[in-house]
Amino acid sequence: DQQVKQNSPSLSVQEGRISILNCDYTNSMFDYFLWYKKYPAEGPTFLISISSIKDKNEDGRFTVFLNKSAKHLSLHIVPSQPGDSAVYFCAASVEKSGGGADGLTFGKGTHLIIQP
Amino acid sequence: EAGVAQSPRYKIIEKRQSVAFWCNPISGHATLYWYQQILGQGPKLLIQFQNNGVVDDSQLPKDRFSAERLKGVDSTLKIQPAKLEDSAVYLCASSLDRGWKTQYFGPGTRLLVL
Repeated sequence: DQQVKQNSPSLSVQEGRISILNCDYTNSMFDYFLWYKKYPAEGPTFLISISSIKDKNEDGRFTVFLNKSAKHLSLHIVPSQPGDSAVYFCAASVEKSGGGADGLTFGKGTHLIIQP
Repeated sequence: EAGVAQSPRYKIIEKRQSVAFWCNPISGHATLYWYQQILGQGPKLLIQFQNNGVVDDSQLPKDRFSAERLKGVDSTLKIQPAKLEDSAVYLCASSLDRGWKTQYFGPGTRLLVL
């Protein structure tokens, strides 16, 4: 039972254009969402996050949008650069009663390829 | 600031053998996680420590996997005996505290069980 779904295994985008990566979740208890970027033979690197009380968070070229009613979030990269070529993981967490966070639940990832 | 360190980076063993992985989190990080990433999948949480105590080990196959963080800093994850399906990348991550939701990952240990 996959609680976090990334339905596009790969995405090819031309350099300079917008990359849009999508993520859906099923667990309505998730209240914090993160995007991680992973290069081959390296661990995932934190990219950007969003709390469920917001619908948008922006950091430079990266913007994450959250649609709670649709249980959907997306990562926008504008403009896309060759160094953005990597696997992008969507992850979610649940805040436990008494504070603290769970370990993350990850999607399967989307391999983004930026073409020159 | 040094990142999360893991060793070894690669390990090849035969099924039924034992193996151990080591993780040193970012200095001062109280929370430590072990994840298993099977090829083509996202990382899956195995165990979460808060200092030297276990917070969540619900997805750890306890018949063969064990983990400890005795002094609340370094951690080891052990598999005994290994099965073919344990072939995966084992990722260690740390965060400042349980309330700090951003986790920082090490490079991982790639395990191949033959």
